[in-house]
Amino acid sequence: DAGVTQSPTHLIKTRGQQVTLRCSPKSGHDTVSWYQQALGQGPQFIFQYYEEEERQRGNFPDRFSGHQFPNYSSELNVNALLLGDSALYLCASRPQGFGSPLHFGNGTRLTVT
Amino acid sequence: GQQVMQIPQYQHVQEGEDFTTYCNSSTTLSNIQWYKQRPGGHPVFLIQLVKSGEVKKQKRLTFQFGEAKKNSSLHITATQTTDVGTYFCAGQGGADGLTFGKGTHLIIQP
Repeated sequence: DAGVTQSPTHLIKTRGQQVTLRCSPKSGHDTVSWYQQALGQGPQFIFQYYEEEERQRGNFPDRFSGHQFPNYSSELNVNALLLGDSALYLCASRPQGFGSPLHFGNGTRLTVT
Repeated sequence: GQQVMQIPQYQHVQEGEDFTTYCNSSTTLSNIQWYKQRPGGHPVFLIQLVKSGEVKKQKRLTFQFGEAKKNSSLHITATQTTDVGTYFCAGQGGADGLTFGKGTHLIIQP
């Protein structure tokens, strides 16, 4: 039973570029969330997708957008990259239901130069 | 918005000593979850507390949820080298995503 898988594992981009990160949820999970984790900090909630719609959003600018596909997989897109976007981006999935624990992937390490 | 504070930021202990991390929310929580992240790894779910005053134990780990549902603690008895990592509390206030604290980094000296 595969857990949450994310790709790529590492990525280096230049300021102003755009990036797409991908996530496949754990089998049986239909809700996907994205978190940004800066070095030495806790994960910060970006947004959550369920039934192919963004359901909740954290305090992130519109440069951050996402998508969920019919097979529950998800993408995170970041436009006009800034140096401050350098972080570990974590995808987490869970079954639908308030308060269900999150299952995290290994993350994508994004470096913006 | 909701804020979750966690202290201490770092904790150095000798192997065999006890360890406690504390979590406080600016708002009343529906539930609180605890996660552990090993160096270079991803957060792994440990436990969820829902009821006011709830106490749960997992072997050497004891989790508490405050009566007002605004604070929580994690206590580890007789730490082992396998306990090394960062412990995060994460609060659920409403329909929003989980709000994580900054974590407590546990460093164990053998």
